[in-house]
Amino acid sequence: ELKVEQNPLFLSMQEGKNYTIYCNYSTTSDRLYWYRQDPGKSLESLFVLLSNGAVKQEGRLMASLDTKARLSTLHITAAVHDLSATYFCAVDATSGSRLTFGEGTQLTVNP
Amino acid sequence: GAGVSQTPSNKVTEKGKYVELRCDPISGHTALYWYRQSLGQGPEFLIYFQGTGAADDSGLPNDRFFAVRPEGSVSTLKIQRTERGDSAVYLCASRISGGPNTGELFFGEGSRLTVL
Repeated sequence: ELKVEQNPLFLSMQEGKNYTIYCNYSTTSDRLYWYRQDPGKSLESLFVLLSNGAVKQEGRLMASLDTKARLSTLHITAAVHDLSATYFCAVDATSGSRLTFGEGTQLTVNP
Repeated sequence: GAGVSQTPSNKVTEKGKYVELRCDPISGHTALYWYRQSLGQGPEFLIYFQGTGAADDSGLPNDRFFAVRPEGSVSTLKIQRTERGDSAVYLCASRISGGPNTGELFFGEGSRLTVL
């Protein structure tokens, strides 16, 4: 059974600081996704990582994938309050039928 | 439509009642998924349709839960004899197809179910 673990689960940081969220998964996969969820809202797709070594950047967020280590990172640069949300990583098993989600990282950016 | 549409957005029911939740996926998406999300948790897989057929229903918690997609578009999640533990947000998502390299899931706003 595919397991996806994120850490930290809770992250409080100051504006302007950098930090990294980690996503580990337990079985072979080369497709990983990052989503953002605001309170009471649905999930918004942020990044799709489809191969080993893939790196994608959008604004202050950068995601990378290391399939050999079964690890993805979401790096936050110079955080701003608008980034406060819960971030989920999700992994496709090699069969490509379903996404398995991590528990989420609740990020709070303080002024 | 432009996005995944779910109705109702909120449903309050009494223990033991029957509930139906509806999902209208993005036009042209053949793969449709149901997930359940409890407070403070990640989405939990329930069932996945490829076209009209349920390709994977291994996430349905018990036989009180059932889902259909008779024409390969709109899907209905049906819950019989609801229990308080069924209270959660039920999320529907779709993507182009269920095969490899088919990209991310696009999620609807969810149906919040509360069982009293």
